[in-house]
Amino acid sequence: EAGVAQSPRYKIIEKRQSVAFWCNPISGHATLYWYQQILGQGPKLLIQFQNNGVVDDSQLPKDRFSAERLKGVDSTLKIQPAKLEDSAVYLCASSSIRGNRYGYTFGSGTRLTVV
Amino acid sequence: AQSVTQPDIHITVSEGASLELRCNYSYGATPYLFWYVQSPGQGLQLLLKYFSGDTLVQGIKGFEAEFKRSQSSFNLRKPSVHWSDAAEYFCAVIMEYGNKLVFGAGTILRVKS
Repeated sequence: EAGVAQSPRYKIIEKRQSVAFWCNPISGHATLYWYQQILGQGPKLLIQFQNNGVVDDSQLPKDRFSAERLKGVDSTLKIQPAKLEDSAVYLCASSSIRGNRYGYTFGSGTRLTVV
Repeated sequence: AQSVTQPDIHITVSEGASLELRCNYSYGATPYLFWYVQSPGQGLQLLLKYFSGDTLVQGIKGFEAEFKRSQSSFNLRKPSVHWSDAAEYFCAVIMEYGNKLVFGAGTILRVKS
């Protein structure tokens, strides 16, 4: 089966600019996650979707970050305006069942550098 | 607070030597437990998982992990390390069914020849 697809792989922007990341999960996976991984840290969950509804966005900085999952498939994560501290790898993951014992499948990530 | 601790930030081992990476969690019940590996510029690959049954679980690439309830630990082991094992390793847990996957800070493994 095809994996989780993410694009772009790399992005460099200036602070206060906007940026968007795209994720296509494994076909049939109802649950989609966006994680932020800052250098030297473990990934941190930003937002979790079940189909096209938000289940958990408690860690999402809502003043600048937004995410949507249209039709319960692809998802887009946006940052506007970006700050220097947003430099990180943004990982998308999907699973067939929310919080299940089989774990998640991760994409290769988008590395964002804010200068 | 529920948490995952990986006490070692960096570990260096010689090629062919054995490896043990430590992971402890803080939670009242037994969570679902995972080890992921991340090579530079890559996403996270699942090495192995535990949710019940035999406390010694086998994974891919020759890795195994042992769940010890009394110590709230889930340490990752490999009997003989290869240079290609150099990567960052993350322990992760799901505290309850339906909850999110929470990661430790990671351990960077360096392999010297």
